[in-house]
Amino acid sequence: QVQVQESGPGLVKPSETLSLTCTVSGGSISYYYWSWIRQPAGKGLEWLGRIYTSGGTNYNPSLKSRVTMSVDTSKNQFSVSLTSVTAADTAMYYCAGEKQQMGFDYWGQGALVTVSS
Amino acid sequence: DIQMTQSPSSLSASVGDRVTITCRASQSISNYLHWYQQKPGKAPKLLIYAASSLQSGVPSRFSGSGSGTDFTLTISSLQPEDFATYYCQQSYSTPRTFGPGTKVDIK
Repeated sequence: QVQVQESGPGLVKPSETLSLTCTVSGGSISYYYWSWIRQPAGKGLEWLGRIYTSGGTNYNPSLKSRVTMSVDTSKNQFSVSLTSVTAADTAMYYCAGEKQQMGFDYWGQGALVTVSS
Repeated sequence: DIQMTQSPSSLSASVGDRVTITCRASQSISNYLHWYQQKPGKAPKLLIYAASSLQSGVPSRFSGSGSGTDFTLTISSLQPEDFATYYCQQSYSTPRTFGPGTKVDIK
């Protein structure tokens, strides 16, 4: 049974960099695209981008080059960094796995990140 | 980007009711459309993938249909555990985009 878990600081100061890691256990991260998706409290879902095990990435243009993703296949982990954060980046951040355009069938429980001084 | 819209944005229904939620894409996405259920404080859960395929473990009262730009999620007989918010999502292209959600609550 594949399990997915986000980790990282819950509080980030404005203008600093938000960094989160997702660890996949119970299976390999291979053959899946791994995405980061966020959700401000009471609002909808926004896709930040995705990474494949080869290191190939796709990012949401709306983030204007603030986002970078990386993968460590030896640890079954992938990460996201979001620079120059503001209060608008406060959200629950999820990592999710997608196989062959068939929807996100693996989700982490989410990591709440608050941007505040 | 492909824009996704949903209607209604919310609805009130009773246990046993048949519920239909509509999702529309701003351009044709073939059948690359998926439905999720989200309960408060939880991650979304995949219900239907590729417009009409039931995800493993999901009750058969959930069904999906459509192709191109117009899609429907139907709950044939609403159960107490189905009160939640439902989202559609396209995987035809990146960026992946979600509909704004439909909240189903108790009448």
